[in-house]
Amino acid sequence: AQKVTQAQTEISVVEKEDVTLDCVYETRDTTYYLFWYKQPPSGELVFLIRRNSFDEQNEISGRYSWNFQKSTSSFNFTITASQVVDSAVYFCALIATGTASKLTFGTGTRLQVTL
Amino acid sequence: DTGVSQDPRHKITKRGQNVTFRCDPISEHNRLYWYRQTLGQGPEFLTYFQNEAQLEKSRLLSDRFSAERPKGSFSTLEIQRTEQGDSAMYLCASSLLAGGGLETQYFGPGTRLLVL
Repeated sequence: AQKVTQAQTEISVVEKEDVTLDCVYETRDTTYYLFWYKQPPSGELVFLIRRNSFDEQNEISGRYSWNFQKSTSSFNFTITASQVVDSAVYFCALIATGTASKLTFGTGTRLQVTL
Repeated sequence: DTGVSQDPRHKITKRGQNVTFRCDPISEHNRLYWYRQTLGQGPEFLTYFQNEAQLEKSRLLSDRFSAERPKGSFSTLEIQRTEQGDSAMYLCASSLLAGGGLETQYFGPGTRLLVL
């Protein structure tokens, strides 16, 4: 069985602060994929990034960066110089091969960015 | 806008009534997924289609739930004899499975159901 844990239920930061959202996953499969989605108040899940288990290279996209470490089964997400528009619930998710592309989501981290 | 669309966006119904939701995937996407999200939780997989074939159903999907994708394009999710526990956001996602590798699922805005 697959499991994704996002221990941080809610984080509040002041604009321009950096913030890291933690994600820890469990799977017995050696091939799997990890995702981050953003859910703004409108409700729609917005795809941010995906990573496969063979690619541990960290990635940066603008103010967003992701740190994938298989040794600790973690796939953390950092927002640099946060902005009010970053306020949303962020979900980490996992697909293990052989699970018919079913996403297993964590419970999400609500990020509140204030002025 | 060529993203995933869902209708209605909100639905309020009385316990015992039947409801039907519609999802229109991104054009040419051959896979379509349904998820359910309750308050404070992440989405949970319900079922998925590849073209018109329903390939997997979660045990969360009781006999009161049925989903169809008759022509491999839009899909409907029907809940019969609704219960208060059915109150949730129902999310639809679509993806294009082409060749090897894993596809990315793109989500619609969801249908929020409230059963009174």
